[in-house]
Amino acid sequence: DAGVIQSPRHEVTEMGQEVTLRCKPISGHDYLFWYRQTMMRGLELLIYFNNNVPIDDSGMPEDRFSAKMPNASFSTLKIQPSEPRDSAVYFCASSFLLAGVPDTGELFFGEGSRLTVL
Amino acid sequence: RKEVEQDPGPFNVPEGATVAFNCTYSNSASQSFFWYRQDCRKEPKLLMSVYSSGNEDGRFTAQLNRASQYISLLIRDSKLSDSATYLCVVPQGGFNKFYFGSGTKLNVKP
Repeated sequence: DAGVIQSPRHEVTEMGQEVTLRCKPISGHDYLFWYRQTMMRGLELLIYFNNNVPIDDSGMPEDRFSAKMPNASFSTLKIQPSEPRDSAVYFCASSFLLAGVPDTGELFFGEGSRLTVL
Repeated sequence: RKEVEQDPGPFNVPEGATVAFNCTYSNSASQSFFWYRQDCRKEPKLLMSVYSSGNEDGRFTAQLNRASQYISLLIRDSKLSDSATYLCVVPQGGFNKFYFGSGTKLNVKP
């Protein structure tokens, strides 16, 4: 079975450019998470969705960041305009709840999108 | 205070050694806890779940101390392949919102 698929795997862009990261979750999973990982701050939860609806976006650093999930099989994270401090690895993860019980699901991560903003 | 805190290490141990990491959490309402493993430049993957006082899987044992709000991971008979970063994960109780610790790096030497 295919796991979580992210694209692009690597992106190098210049400050001020728009960046769009894409994610295809595992079929049947109803939760989708976007995380950012840096050496300084570790893995930070940016936003997560349940059944395509954003539940909590309190981790989104600022208005330059936006995320959408138009359907159950696709999500995007957009940065506009990008800045050098946005350089990080962005992970998408999906999960489902065990027997519908909160906090029990395993997070399945994609391989990540490594973003470098010059 | 951070939601989840870990000693970053690195822990440098010889093959065959026993090593333990701790992780403290701030949300007393959390009922589930997880350890994930992350290899260099790879994505995190689930190692163990802890839903009660503890869990054991082969050489790995996870224990939970609710009174002191920490979980531990014990690795017995360390292998070279155990070298990785171990991430403690604590959900915000009941909201399916998962917070990751910054990770503890383990280096197992021959």
